[in-house]
Amino acid sequence: DGGITQSPKYLFRKEGQNVTLSCEQNLNHDAMYWYRQDPGQGLRLIYYSQIVNDFQKGDIAEGYSVSREKKESFPLTVTSAQKNPTAFYLCASSSSGTDDSPLHFGNGTRLTVT
Amino acid sequence: GENVEQHPSTLSVQEGDSAVIKCTYSDSASNYFPWYKQELGKRPQLIIDIRSNVGEKKDQRIAVTLNKTAKHFSLHITETQPEDSAVYFCADHLRGSTLGRLYFGRGTQLTVWP
Repeated sequence: DGGITQSPKYLFRKEGQNVTLSCEQNLNHDAMYWYRQDPGQGLRLIYYSQIVNDFQKGDIAEGYSVSREKKESFPLTVTSAQKNPTAFYLCASSSSGTDDSPLHFGNGTRLTVT
Repeated sequence: GENVEQHPSTLSVQEGDSAVIKCTYSDSASNYFPWYKQELGKRPQLIIDIRSNVGEKKDQRIAVTLNKTAKHFSLHITETQPEDSAVYFCADHLRGSTLGRLYFGRGTQLTVWP
């Protein structure tokens, strides 16, 4: 069954700790993305990667870091520098270079930092 | 940067009535306009999309219209049903950027009363 797997579904951390959110896809998509969702707001792009070993900052990259060592995986680290880390995080993927490929989302990870 | 405005933020209709959600965009390079439906606690799912060379697209009870001159696009749902209740997001994509690099509206909470 092809898709995007995010884990865990819920994550709780203490303030000052770094935390890494997992995202794996078996759709053979080149491009992967991390979006953040807050109540009453649209989705905002944190980071994206079009190919392995390459990634670009999105609109709200401060306090986050990513890596893309494998095509299937795009983990997101929320560092202690992120001022308001509590949010719903969505990973997504798409085939790059064609207008016929929409964005596919994972089920999300809800991060709570206290 | 690109700005996508979405209205209304909440919409309540009676079952069987129609619902219309409107979005405006700012960048004339926008060439792709998807709509996503997100049920409570779940992932956003693409329900319909339209490209800039098309004025209208229909899929059963849902339709999207695009007015490039006025830079706005709308989602129309006819014969609404309780299972249409969800948050709907509009988005756009700029020509030349990777397809998943989307700019989202803030969302519309649609409630359909039986």
